[in-house]
Amino acid sequence: QSVLTQPPSASGTPGQRVTISCSGSSSNIGSNTVNWYQQLPGTAPKLLIYSNNQRPSGVPDRFSGSKSGTSASLAISGLQSEDEADYYCAAWDDSLNGSVVFGGGTKLTVL
Amino acid sequence: QVQLQESGPGLVKPSETLSLTCAVSGYSISSGYYWGWIRQPPGKGLEWIGSIYHSGSTYYNPSLKSRVTISVDTSKNQFSLKLSSVTAADTAVYYCARVEQWLPSYYFDYWGQGTLVTVSS
Repeated sequence: QSVLTQPPSASGTPGQRVTISCSGSSSNIGSNTVNWYQQLPGTAPKLLIYSNNQRPSGVPDRFSGSKSGTSASLAISGLQSEDEADYYCAAWDDSLNGSVVFGGGTKLTVL
Repeated sequence: QVQLQESGPGLVKPSETLSLTCAVSGYSISSGYYWGWIRQPPGKGLEWIGSIYHSGSTYYNPSLKSRVTISVDTSKNQFSLKLSSVTAADTAVYYCARVEQWLPSYYFDYWGQGTLVTVSS
């Protein structure tokens, strides 16, 4: 059971806009920033969004992040076939002397 | 460009100690940043193991803390993971990563390719 809660799956058609939610608590998302990682099949995770809504260099602006209270969302607009991947949210958690907590991951399917 | 490469045995016997090393290139560990380990059991999600600063300061996942040791060797520009008393539940792909830690912000910006470690007799 993951500390952060994500839907196990999401889907959309090419060109569509898809959102993935991430729910936490006051000790993690409520007091720290949220990051999103994209994991393409058979590869290592890649940083997609950091500090709630910042994109690393090279990440298309089709990807955006937001946070409100103890929840966060990842939005993908203009969905493309190469976006088919697993997406994980993560944040620092202030409880138990501090630790990093992840969501269980959302498998995005492009129909 | 920062690159990380994990290395170590791919098979470890139950009750023994798993040992992995992460070699860093393109950046000097002693210049700063935390450096961390994350694992992913086959078909499952990501789990943070812990992280270390070049000075040796560490953070560990509370659920693994009793079995984990992370160390750093700045002379070789690498850091290491030891996980003791392993069981089949420790079978996973182990990733090393660079950590950007400026709380409340904490994220992994560069990752190694990962190495599969299987615990089996």
